[in-house]
Amino acid sequence: SYELTQPPSVSVSPGQTATITCSGENLENKNAFWYQQKPGQSPVVVIYQDSKRPSGIPERISGSNSGNTATLTISGTQAMDEADYYCKAWDRSTVIFGGGTKLTVL
Amino acid sequence: EVQLVESGGGLVQPGGSLRLSCAASGFTFSSYWMHWVRQAPGKGLEWVSRINTDERITNYADSVTGRFTISRDNAKSTLYLQMNSLRAEDTALYYCVRDLGGGDTDYWGQGTLVTVSS
Repeated sequence: SYELTQPPSVSVSPGQTATITCSGENLENKNAFWYQQKPGQSPVVVIYQDSKRPSGIPERISGSNSGNTATLTISGTQAMDEADYYCKAWDRSTVIFGGGTKLTVL
Repeated sequence: EVQLVESGGGLVQPGGSLRLSCAASGFTFSSYWMHWVRQAPGKGLEWVSRINTDERITNYADSVTGRFTISRDNAKSTLYLQMNSLRAEDTALYYCVRDLGGGDTDYWGQGTLVTVSS
């Protein structure tokens, strides 16, 4: 079955750039999505179809997808960005989530 | 305002059954595909199932195929998840999620907690 692999944790200093990766076989041939989940809250989509931002998501959050890896980049990271991030893709009419990455803003 | 309100969760013994409901409001429910996504305590997200607008198309994760059934009542704007033969590993917060098309989702409910334990 198809799998998406994320690093369990990423740490970043305020104001720096955070990069979270999501790896899957030929992921570039699928649309990648990214969700942000803060403690006690439901997930919120921050990137859809590889690199598109929903309204209300700041421009400093961006996404890309090439080869076997989708990447979520947060520029000028702020304390409010501290959360769990999940990538998602579709495989044969089923949804696959990555294991999630805890972003810590030190 | 779009609202998705799940209910029906609770404590159930292994092997038991439970039916979850998701009451939708603030949008034309019959026009949207819908999903169930779950999250075990302290763990990541796991997609469970989806259903199209007229119930002709349903898909399930391998982990629940043959045990769970997704359905909907468009007249009542309600999504359901019938869960049978429950296992300890089904313990999770179950979210109702609206499909936006193109593989995307937008609104999520707050979830209903299912605990499978003896």
